[in-house]
Amino acid sequence: GAVVSQHPSWVICKSGTSVKIECRSLDFQATTMFWYRQFPKQSLMLMATSNEGSKATYEQGVEKDKFLINHASLTLSTLTVTSAHPEDSSFYICSGPYGGGREQYFGPGTRLTVT
Amino acid sequence: EDQVTQSPEALRLQEGESSSLNCSYTVSGLRGLFWYRQDPGKGPEFLFTLYSAGEEKEKERLKATLTKKESFLHITAPKPEDSATYLCAVLDSGGSYIPTFGRGTSLIVHP
Repeated sequence: GAVVSQHPSWVICKSGTSVKIECRSLDFQATTMFWYRQFPKQSLMLMATSNEGSKATYEQGVEKDKFLINHASLTLSTLTVTSAHPEDSSFYICSGPYGGGREQYFGPGTRLTVT
Repeated sequence: EDQVTQSPEALRLQEGESSSLNCSYTVSGLRGLFWYRQDPGKGPEFLFTLYSAGEEKEKERLKATLTKKESFLHITAPKPEDSATYLCAVLDSGGSYIPTFGRGTSLIVHP
């Protein structure tokens, strides 16, 4: 199967600072990647769709100025949590569609803790 | 609106005790149904994609089946290492590649 990596795997930051999370497709090109947020014992919540060469599409209720998404190349998408607050603490996961969307592969996730 | 319902929410089995997880779905047209395994603190691991009713796929102790309304993930003679949350998702036949996920079934297999 296809491989998606994320960096960092975990991060602790202070309230008010910004954190950048990288998502890379290692063995396939992705014009689209998805960013999810997951709270403990809950399913995945889609935050936004990043599109290579154009603006990201955000789901309803997700603040685009707080969660900045950049799809810099066909293998790299980044999520920056700006002015982080404790309520932003969560597990963030990216994914990329593969094989014309017939399969979707997820990264290992990034655990963000804001103190 | 696409909907995915997984049952049960949690399942406890003894090692060797076979069972099935259910995923009921509603879509206007099905492009694909996905099964994933998620371990705590990790991203979902792709297991299967099913495309049409009647299709079956197997991987070790897991077997996924699909009808027009639901999918089953059969676990035969499970082992403790099969303990995880199993997620089901559907992709409709519209232009979007965004899947709709169920809430998952948490499986615990006791030795």
